[in-house]
Amino acid sequence: AQKITQTQPGMFVQEKEAVTLDCTYDTSDPSYGLFWYKQPSSGEMIFLIYQGSYDQQNATEGRYSLNFQKARKSANLVISASQLGDSAMYFCANDGSARQLTFGSGTQLTVLP
Amino acid sequence: EPEVTQTPSHQVTQMGQEVILRCVPISNHLYFYWYRQILGQKVEFLVSFYNNEISEKSEIFDDQFSVERPDGSNFTLKIRSTKLEDSAMYFCASSDPRLAKNIQYFGAGTRLSVL
Repeated sequence: AQKITQTQPGMFVQEKEAVTLDCTYDTSDPSYGLFWYKQPSSGEMIFLIYQGSYDQQNATEGRYSLNFQKARKSANLVISASQLGDSAMYFCANDGSARQLTFGSGTQLTVLP
Repeated sequence: EPEVTQTPSHQVTQMGQEVILRCVPISNHLYFYWYRQILGQKVEFLVSFYNNEISEKSEIFDDQFSVERPDGSNFTLKIRSTKLEDSAMYFCASSDPRLAKNIQYFGAGTRLSVL
């Protein structure tokens, strides 16, 4: 069984600063993927970044990077140079041998001008 | 850029009525999923579909739910007799199983309101 824990229900960050959103996971699968999705107030789910459990390097996509620490079972999302448009709910998720995604409870990020 | 399309964006129905939620996955994707998100809660997996059959389903996906791929492009979720607790946002997603990365792209969702 998969489990995702996001311990920060809400986070604030000043525009142009970096912010880290925490995610820890629990899985018994030897191979798995970790995902971050963004959900703006309009409701859609936008894929941001993926990290495979066997990937040697941390994933990066533009201003998003994933700080993957396998031994700690953590997959934190780092957003650099925050923008007002980054204000949204952020969900961490993982998969395993079964392809379905298991999501965390989310972190509501607010970027302050 | 290819995207997953869901219709309608909002569906209002009376308790006990049947509803069909429609999705057009990304054209070269072969794996399809339905998820739901009750207001203010986390996203929950309902069902996955591959090669014209259900691949996995959660305990939420009981006999009231069914999925179908009626033609080469559409993927539907039917709720036979809606209950108040079925009110939620329903997301369709698709992925390409030929890739090592199981990246699932989501549609914009259908908000189902059961009265």
